[in-house]
Amino acid sequence: NAGVTQTPKFQVLKTGQSMTLQCAQDMNHNSMYWYRQDPGMGLRLIYYSASEGTTDKGEVPNGYNVSRLNKREFSLRLESAAPSQTSVYFCASNNPLGGYTFGSGTRLTVV
Amino acid sequence: AQTVTQSQPEMSVQEAETVTLSCTYDTSENNYYLFWYKQPPSRQMILVIRQEAYKQQNATENRFSVNFQKAAKSFSLKISDSQLGDTAMYFCAFMDNNAGNMLTFGGGTRLMVKP
Repeated sequence: NAGVTQTPKFQVLKTGQSMTLQCAQDMNHNSMYWYRQDPGMGLRLIYYSASEGTTDKGEVPNGYNVSRLNKREFSLRLESAAPSQTSVYFCASNNPLGGYTFGSGTRLTVV
Repeated sequence: AQTVTQSQPEMSVQEAETVTLSCTYDTSENNYYLFWYKQPPSRQMILVIRQEAYKQQNATENRFSVNFQKAAKSFSLKISDSQLGDTAMYFCAFMDNNAGNMLTFGGGTRLMVKP
């Protein structure tokens, strides 16, 4: 089925470790996004990519880097994980006709 | 920067009854979109309904409808004939289509539908 695929679904990291969250969409959307959701809160934008080859900071970019590898893929990297980065991470792509399509999320715990 | 406020952290409703979730937003833009998303315990984000700011007519999707008051910057969601499957977090969101189509979310309302 067409949509947004995120991997992994769950991850536990130790403080200081690095990891990359992968995201791919097969809907030929130009824009892709990374959000984080903390308990009891709405989603906050980390980074976004309006088109292949471009990336921009969102509301909470500190501690993260992104790569728009091609039109399909948009990865999020934590270089040195901190407990404050414990969260659920969502990737999304923008459907110009109907709003965002979200991935199923990655639950990340940093201990 | 836009802000979105949902003033009801939690609400409950009896099955088959009607409930309204509130949302207000702040923007200086004239062209934008508003959305309601549902997030069940599975944590999947599901689009419920969307409204274009230039349309005066309120959007409707089956049992879901909105009351869009542009001058008041208010965008409430009405759920009619509530069902147990409507139990979820509901997020109001704003999109300024002049700013990379970024979504700004409210803090959410947890809705419990009681049998």
